[in-house]
Amino acid sequence: GNSVTQMEGPVTLSEEAFLTINCTYTATGYPSLFWYVQYPGEGLQLLLKATKADDKGSNKGFEATYRKETTSFHLEKGSVQVSDSAVYFCALYNFNKFYFGSGTKLNVKP
Amino acid sequence: DAGVIQSPRHEVTEMGQEVTLRCKPISGHDYLFWYRQTMMRGLELLIYFNNNVPIDDSGMPEDRFSAKMPNASFSTLKIQPSEPRDSAVYFCASSKTSLDRGKTPGNTIYFGEGSWLTVV
Repeated sequence: GNSVTQMEGPVTLSEEAFLTINCTYTATGYPSLFWYVQYPGEGLQLLLKATKADDKGSNKGFEATYRKETTSFHLEKGSVQVSDSAVYFCALYNFNKFYFGSGTKLNVKP
Repeated sequence: DAGVIQSPRHEVTEMGQEVTLRCKPISGHDYLFWYRQTMMRGLELLIYFNNNVPIDDSGMPEDRFSAKMPNASFSTLKIQPSEPRDSAVYFCASSKTSLDRGKTPGNTIYFGEGSWLTVV
């Protein structure tokens, strides 16, 4: 079947620290992978995506590489800001259906 | 372009009352999804439609929940009667079929701002 597992939070970092949020998946076929971000009181917004193995998605300083060999799509950012505080969801799209991870809350302290 | 539009944004209702949540998907999108988000269970898919037809409603918690999509630009999620455990944020989302996965980017799902439901 298809599923997404991401690291539990909350993750608390100081401003300018390096961020990694782990995400692994199981899927049949060739899924597309996504990271969504949810700011307090808002809906989920697309952060980045990758549609095939070895693709790198990037946006707003965040990056994630589609690794088929390790079935992973880890989210990274070199220097986080307070404004990055939010909940991050890893997601998989396969056969016209989306599968979301449980979300990882990130708190960035000044 | 307007995004996915949901109403109401916030609703407080008494137990036993009927609740209707509304959604307008992005024009041209042929998939519509209803999700529920709670602290305990995270993001749950309740039901989704393709070309206005319900495809999978296995996530609908019980018979008190029903969803309709009478046309391509409108969907409703109804709870009757409502209970306090139904308190959650309900998201509507839409996406567009990828015609050829080998040549086009994978689909992206777009979420509305959510309807924040409190049942007291």
